[in-house]
Amino acid sequence: DVKVTQSSRYLVKRTGEKVFLECVQDMDHENMFWYRQDPGLGLRLIYFSYDVKMKEKGDIPEGYSVSREKKERFSLILESASTNQTSMYLCASSLGQFNQPQHFGDGTRLSIL
Amino acid sequence: AQTVTQSQPEMSVQEAETVTLSCTYDTSESNYYLFWYKQPPSRQMILVIRQEAYKQQNATENRFSVNFQKAAKSFSLKISDSQLGDTAMYFCAFRGSGGSYIPTFGRGTSLIVHP
Repeated sequence: DVKVTQSSRYLVKRTGEKVFLECVQDMDHENMFWYRQDPGLGLRLIYFSYDVKMKEKGDIPEGYSVSREKKERFSLILESASTNQTSMYLCASSLGQFNQPQHFGDGTRLSIL
Repeated sequence: AQTVTQSQPEMSVQEAETVTLSCTYDTSESNYYLFWYKQPPSRQMILVIRQEAYKQQNATENRFSVNFQKAAKSFSLKISDSQLGDTAMYFCAFRGSGGSYIPTFGRGTSLIVHP
C-alpha cells in the first residue's frame, strides 16, 4: 500500500514564524500536491510538483512556497505565517498519468496564533 | 478549465438504506477520469471508486456504485445498505488527459448515517 506521511498531525505556530510542513511518500510517485482544506471550500490546491525540482502554482499560492529536492519528499513553506493560514493542510501523491488516483496523508491541522 | 459541482453540502441517511450523492462537471476534454473520495472524520482521505469517460458501464465497488451520464456530465455516487462507517465527507474529482493532469475537486458532501 502507498503510504503518504505528513510530519505533524497538529502544529501551533506564531504569527511571523517561518513554518515547514513535510510530506514523504514511499511509492516513487512522480506527482505530489499540497492542498488546503477549509469548511465549505473543499480542497484548494496550493502547489503541485510533477517531478524533482519542478513545480506549478495552484489556485492559492500566495504566502506559500514549496521545495522538492528528492522525489519522495515535498515540503510546504509558510514564509511568514499569518492567522489566515490557520487551516488543515493535506499532502497527496500519485503516479503521473491522468487515470491514476491520488493518495493522501493524514493531514496537518495548523494553528497560527 | 474544468469545474466540479457537488450541490448537496450535507446529507443524511438511515442505516441500511440507500443514498445517492450528486456530482456534475464541466469540461471540453473527451478523455478523462472521474473519482469519488471518502474522508471519514479525522481520518485519511481514500479512493472509493473511479470511472473512465470512455467506458459506458458504470463502475461498482461492493456497496458503492456510480451513475455516469456522460452527455449530461453527471457522476453520482450510490451507497447501498448504508453503514455507520460510511459517515464521512465525500469528494468528487475530475482528472483530464490534457495539460498537467491536475485534478479538480468539488466542495464535498458531508454524509451522516444515523443508527
